[in-house]
Amino acid sequence: QKEVEQNSGPLSVPEGAIASLNCTYSDRGSQSFFWYRQYSGKSPELIMSIYSNGDKEDGRFTAQLNKASQYVSLLIRDSQPSDSATYLCAAYNNNDMRFGAGTRLTVKP
Amino acid sequence: NAGVTQTPKFRILKIGQSMTLQCTQDMNHNYMYWYRQDPGMGLKLIYYSVGAGITDKGEVPNGYNVSRSTTEDFPLRLELAAPSQTSVYFCASSKTGGDTGELFFGEGSRLTVL
Repeated sequence: QKEVEQNSGPLSVPEGAIASLNCTYSDRGSQSFFWYRQYSGKSPELIMSIYSNGDKEDGRFTAQLNKASQYVSLLIRDSQPSDSATYLCAAYNNNDMRFGAGTRLTVKP
Repeated sequence: NAGVTQTPKFRILKIGQSMTLQCTQDMNHNYMYWYRQDPGMGLKLIYYSVGAGITDKGEVPNGYNVSRSTTEDFPLRLELAAPSQTSVYFCASSKTGGDTGELFFGEGSRLTVL
């Protein structure tokens, strides 16, 4: 079974804090990893992709990948109320994009 | 550009009825996907297509059928609707396949089977 596991939350952080979201995956053949943001009642949108071990930064977002531990994380710095959403982790292998159940993040003003 | 357009946005079906969810994209993407999302759950892949005339099963294909006669359109057919098919359905497309992660999603179709 190819599983992507996430803590469902909710995760609550104050405005300006760092939000840390974690994800593990079971398929060692997974080649690419992604974080999607989904606002309530809306469709997912891609915010970060990462393909190799280490960190990848894009603005306030940093994705981290450790293939040996089968672990992916997303850090959101200077969290804003507009970051309140569900964050979906996804792992891709051979036309199969598997999504986790998502972590619901709330940023309190 | 309209992107990925799904219709209908909402539908209520009775058990045993059939229907087709329409999906069209105007980005000339070869790859198209159908996902379902149950409350509190992630997206599960139903079917995907890597180009016109080619379709393949995903993780949860039972009870569904698809066709891909053109690059633009990828309809999802539900035969003999069951309460377990109550879900939100998302169609998505991608230019180069999922390896780059850039899936463009439609707004979703909320289906209730009673």
